[in-house]
Amino acid sequence: EPEVTQTPSHQVTQMGQEVILRCVPISNHLYFYWYRQILGQKVEFLVSFYNNEISEKSEIFDDQFSVERPDGSNFTLKIRSTKLEDSAMYFCASSVGFEQYFGPGTRLTVT
Amino acid sequence: AQKVTQAQTEISVVEKEDVTLDCVYETRDTTYYLFWYKQPPSGELVFLIRRNSFDEQNEISGRYSWNFQKSTSSFNFTITASQVVDSAVYFCALSGTLTTDSWGKLQFGAGTQVVVTP
Repeated sequence: EPEVTQTPSHQVTQMGQEVILRCVPISNHLYFYWYRQILGQKVEFLVSFYNNEISEKSEIFDDQFSVERPDGSNFTLKIRSTKLEDSAMYFCASSVGFEQYFGPGTRLTVT
Repeated sequence: AQKVTQAQTEISVVEKEDVTLDCVYETRDTTYYLFWYKQPPSGELVFLIRRNSFDEQNEISGRYSWNFQKSTSSFNFTITASQVVDSAVYFCALSGTLTTDSWGKLQFGAGTQVVVTP
């Protein structure tokens, strides 16, 4: 069964560094998303992406964040200058309709 | 604004007992979708079910069933004859349909931890 994959599974970075989180959505899906989950808290929407542009973004998704689909398969989330509060699990999701299928997540730890 | 409330933080049951998870939502959208996701200890989010706001028929899928009541804005989820493998955090989520601003933006509740002991 096709699934969303994410790399790396765990990323440790120092405050102020740039990180890129990578996702490979399910191949026939058209809509792509990033969510984050701070430890012990609920899952929060960050951004949605369709037709090579951002469809929607939340208040969390400020200028430090960017997304890109650099080729036909990858979907990336970049955080330009990480802060301690960016530490969280980041989930990529994709959909062709209304059900979003999530990847296993990347745990980002900012020290 | 959309909001999903899961008032139960944790439910503990013994194997084979039924578990019902409560979910109450708020939305201004006239059409919307409701979802349940499961997050096992390994951390991934697993899609379980989706329900359209315009279809209040309740269904059963295997050991899962759900009770959607638009009049009370509730979307409760039941696991029948629970098993240890059902131990996980369960999230209720809401999004609008294609004609709404909230389409695609899943609004999650805080989650309910289900602990099933043998």
